[in-house]
Amino acid sequence: GAGVSQTPSNKVTEKGKYVELRCDPISGHTALYWYRQSLGQGPEFLIYFQGTGAADDSGLPNDRFFAVRPEGSVSTLKIQRTERGDSAVYLCASRASGGSEQYFGPGTRLTVT
Amino acid sequence: KNQVEQSPQSLIILEGKNCTLQCNYTVSPFSNLRWYKQDTGRGPVSLTIMTFSENTKSNGRYTATLDADTKQSSLHITASQLSDSASYICVVSAGSGGGADGLTFGKGTHLIIQP
Repeated sequence: GAGVSQTPSNKVTEKGKYVELRCDPISGHTALYWYRQSLGQGPEFLIYFQGTGAADDSGLPNDRFFAVRPEGSVSTLKIQRTERGDSAVYLCASRASGGSEQYFGPGTRLTVT
Repeated sequence: KNQVEQSPQSLIILEGKNCTLQCNYTVSPFSNLRWYKQDTGRGPVSLTIMTFSENTKSNGRYTATLDADTKQSSLHITASQLSDSASYICVVSAGSGGGADGLTFGKGTHLIIQP
């Protein structure tokens, strides 16, 4: 596809469960970002990949959050032992090498009950 | 601490009217400022980008202004349409070197256009 895609679009899980959120960046984009957006707030940075490696994971709130990008394309955000406070929209964005604009996906709305 | 403050938090106007959204920032060093439009259930989409030397930029009915001295930006929407209903997010970049490209996001202004 032409844009960033994210799956699932919605995810409802019970407190304590494990979830995986997937991001397919724009083909050829080397930089990939994960953000978390709570209701009425702007996106909050979580982690940034340059290729396969996490160049900056300083935004991850705690060790329950982890992300991978094994082949430098698709990325998965993993959340262990989910808590109700993890409920938010998780946005993914990608950027071309040398470019300045991040292109955002539609997000995954995570609800922890 | 880098901050971006937007006002108003929310705004309701009638279709066809104009409106202006405000953004104040304390980001240093300054690289550029973007306005994003975020429709409900969608990711943000860039409307305009402005660098230090630019003080106005238009994209159709959207016109952004930047005053780098006072660290203020505005987004003016002319002849509003129902499709303009969205959140408008101001994002300021401190340049490369940060994991998120040194981006600081505002909380957004939630705009509702009523018929």
